[in-house]
This record gives sequence, structure tokens and C-alpha cells, in this order.
Amino acid sequence: GENVEQHPSTLSVQEGDSAVIKCTYSDSASNYFPWYKQELGKRPQLIIDIRSNVGEKKDQRIAVTLNKTAKHFSLHITETQPEDSAVYFCAASSGGYQKVTFGTGTKLQVIP
Amino acid sequence: DAGITQSPRHKVTETGTPVTLRCHQTENHRYMYWYRQDPGHGLRLIHYSYGVKDTDKGEVSDGYSVSRSKTEDFLLTLESATSSQTSVYFCAISAPGQGDGYTFGSGTRLTVV
Repeated sequence: GENVEQHPSTLSVQEGDSAVIKCTYSDSASNYFPWYKQELGKRPQLIIDIRSNVGEKKDQRIAVTLNKTAKHFSLHITETQPEDSAVYFCAASSGGYQKVTFGTGTKLQVIP
Repeated sequence: DAGITQSPRHKVTETGTPVTLRCHQTENHRYMYWYRQDPGHGLRLIHYSYGVKDTDKGEVSDGYSVSRSKTEDFLLTLESATSSQTSVYFCAISAPGQGDGYTFGSGTRLTVV
């Protein structure tokens, strides 16, 4: 089955700096890569996703890049703010019944 | 809210007892999933359903069973609870043709003592 690895497990940045979280996947058939944000005590929420026919996608301060050849994808957050502090999960899906395999999460702390 | 609710929100149970967690959706989505969340492991798929009475196992299905007799309800049963099943359980829904993103429930924190 699919295996998703995520790094780093924790990340501290100064407010206003950029943050980058990297993930790799194992199944070359995976074609959908969502990112979820989970605030403390809350449910995970989808923040951005990308499909395998696209190399990059942006939404305001967040962007995701995908390198299918290397089987890795990354989340970029620019101009970080304290409210960006949360755990971020990358994930991959090959489409069958839309089952998603998650990475182990990155705890992002934005220091004011 | 998101049209998906989980019950109970918190539960403490004793080792060896059966436990059932309920996921209820009002979105009429076809696909439903149960995940468990543990530190260092992220979210791991327990079971999923692709329609009424159509279910299948995920990567950590041992000790769990599920049932889906109606589109809106997906039940997760721990047949004989063990301490290793202490976790936060999340239900999720998705719909084909509406993007593949999940909508998660608020979670159930289960403690097995």
C-alpha cells in the first residue's frame, strides 16, 4: 500500500518568515495530494490540494508543489502568522474509493 | 456546521468491553471512513464504506468492525476494547465528483482503562 513520509515533525519560525513542509510518497499511482491543518483539539481541515497533472498550486499565502518523478510534494507558507500555528498533515490518494494515506504530521509554531 | 457529527465525544471504558462509536452525516455522501489518530502515527485508516452495506478494511482494522445500514450512519465497533485502542477516532466523508477532500467529524476521544 501507499506510504507517506513527512518532514520535519516540528518546525518553529518567526512571524513573517516562510515555512516549508516536505512529503514523499511511495505509490506511483497516487494522483491526489491534499494538505490538512489541525488546530489543537479540533478536527483536521483541508487547506489545499493538488492533482498529479499539476506541478504547483497557490492560494493566497499557501502553495503546494509536486514532483511526480521524485515522488515528493511540499507545502509552502509565506508571511507566517501566529494563527498558522497548528499541526499540518500531508496525504496521498490513488483514487480507489478516495482512500487517503496520511503523513505523520508537522507541528508548526509561529513565534510572534 | 460541517454536516457530520460523531457520538459520543468522549468515552472511558474498561478493557474487554464492547464499544460502538457513531458517525452521522446529513450530506448524503457516498463514502465514509474511520481513522484513528495517535501521536507519531498521524491518521490511520481503520475501515471505510463506499455505500450502504459496502465496507472494507483499512490498514489498522484488527479488533474493529463496522456497519453501514443507512447512507447517513457509519458505526465503528471495538469488539473487546484493549488499552492499545485508546485513541482519538475521526470519521470522515467524501463524495465522488465533488473533489476528493475529506470533511472530518469532531472526533471521539476514547480511553480504555
